[in-house]
Amino acid sequence: AQRVTQPEKLLSVFKGAPVELKCNYSYSGSPELFWYVQYSRQRLQLLLRHISRESIKGFTADLNKGETSFHLKKPFAQEEDSAMYYCALSRSTLGRLYFGRGTQLTVWP
Amino acid sequence: GAVVSQHPSWVICKSGTSVKIECRSLDFQATTMFWYRQFPKQSLMLMATSNEGSKATYEQGVEKDKFLINHASLTLSTLTVTSAHPEDSSFYICSAPVRRGNQPQHFGDGTRLSIL
Repeated sequence: AQRVTQPEKLLSVFKGAPVELKCNYSYSGSPELFWYVQYSRQRLQLLLRHISRESIKGFTADLNKGETSFHLKKPFAQEEDSAMYYCALSRSTLGRLYFGRGTQLTVWP
Repeated sequence: GAVVSQHPSWVICKSGTSVKIECRSLDFQATTMFWYRQFPKQSLMLMATSNEGSKATYEQGVEKDKFLINHASLTLSTLTVTSAHPEDSSFYICSAPVRRGNQPQHFGDGTRLSIL
């Protein structure tokens, strides 16, 4: 069975501080991992996917198969980064998503 | 880019009422759509997979007769919450996979359902 774990329900940092949102997964096959972001009163939108290996809005995430992790990082948090972040796993590119419980990030001025 | 439109965005109705939520793919065809339910400050849980022209596949624990799904065309899937009760109050979100662009799935804005 597949499972996505986000250990932190809430995370607060000050502007300019580094931020790391943790995500661990369990799946016996080769999953696709995603980070989705949901800003207040907006729809869920894709932030990163592991196969792209790109940086979006300063965020990066590296898939660590040994530790089965896909942590989201940003060296200098901004106030506009405050949002709900979901880590998600899919068994195939167009398949259903398995979401973690989400981490509410608050960046204080 | 691909867009998914979900309607209505907010529904308030009395207990016992049936509520229909529509999910449309505006510029692409979606043979599959996913229906999720999200409780406040919690994760999205898949309720069912909607398949065009065939029966929906429901997740374990989801009542088929309670949450009726119809996917009659390649651009429209509907979720009907039948005889809704206060415990059905939640945020319902649909998504559709699309084989183009950077996003493998596109989400609707969601429907907030409040049953009095």
